Amino acid sequence: NAGVTQTPKFQVLKTGQSMTLQCAQDMNHNSMYWYRQDPGMGLRLIYYSASEGTTDKGEVPNGYNVSRLNKREFSLRLESAAPSQTSVYFCASRVQGSTDTQYFGPGTRLTVL
Amino acid sequence: AQSVTQLDSQVPVFEEAPVELRCNYSSSVSVYLFWYVQYPNQGLQLLLKYLSGSTLVKGINGFEAEFNKSQTSFHLRKPSVHISDTAEYFCAVSDSGGSNYKLTFGKGTLLTVNP
Repeated sequence: NAGVTQTPKFQVLKTGQSMTLQCAQDMNHNSMYWYRQDPGMGLRLIYYSASEGTTDKGEVPNGYNVSRLNKREFSLRLESAAPSQTSVYFCASRVQGSTDTQYFGPGTRLTVL
Repeated sequence: AQSVTQLDSQVPVFEEAPVELRCNYSSSVSVYLFWYVQYPNQGLQLLLKYLSGSTLVKGINGFEAEFNKSQTSFHLRKPSVHISDTAEYFCAVSDSGGSNYKLTFGKGTLLTVNP
């Protein structure tokens, strides 16, 4: 049981390049989330998927797209990377029910030059 | 909409001293409250949560927090800290009546435990 996994762990892009961050969970959770973490800003929600087949914008969606490929996988795409997207990206998933806890992946550290 | 304010961005303490990390929230509806810990270069790990019931919540690693509805606070405490508690701590809130349970995070408090 690996929990939430993210690939890659590190990535360096040039301005204008595109890439997809991958996230998978093996806990049979319905909801999945993408956050970015910047120094002094805490975590801010980019997009989330309440269930397979649905996605919604969070607090900072501009410049990103997402795909909920199936129940396990939720990817985040940067179509044209900008230096302002340099950040650490975390994926999380949530079990519905009484616990309502979000479980986080180890993060992807992205640098855009 | 909810918001979370963590009143201290950094808290330095000596080993074996008590510590309190302060968190206040704002919400027009009932909430769930969480504390997460992030060790250097790692993801976030749940420390404890308040969903309902007893306002004093105990978590892992000897931490506890008290939900105070009138003060809209959820402060985190530990009576005696260890070097290994050095980490960043995040308070978070979600709407207990919502269907998506989005978390709103505070900006974090860096706890540094010195020998």
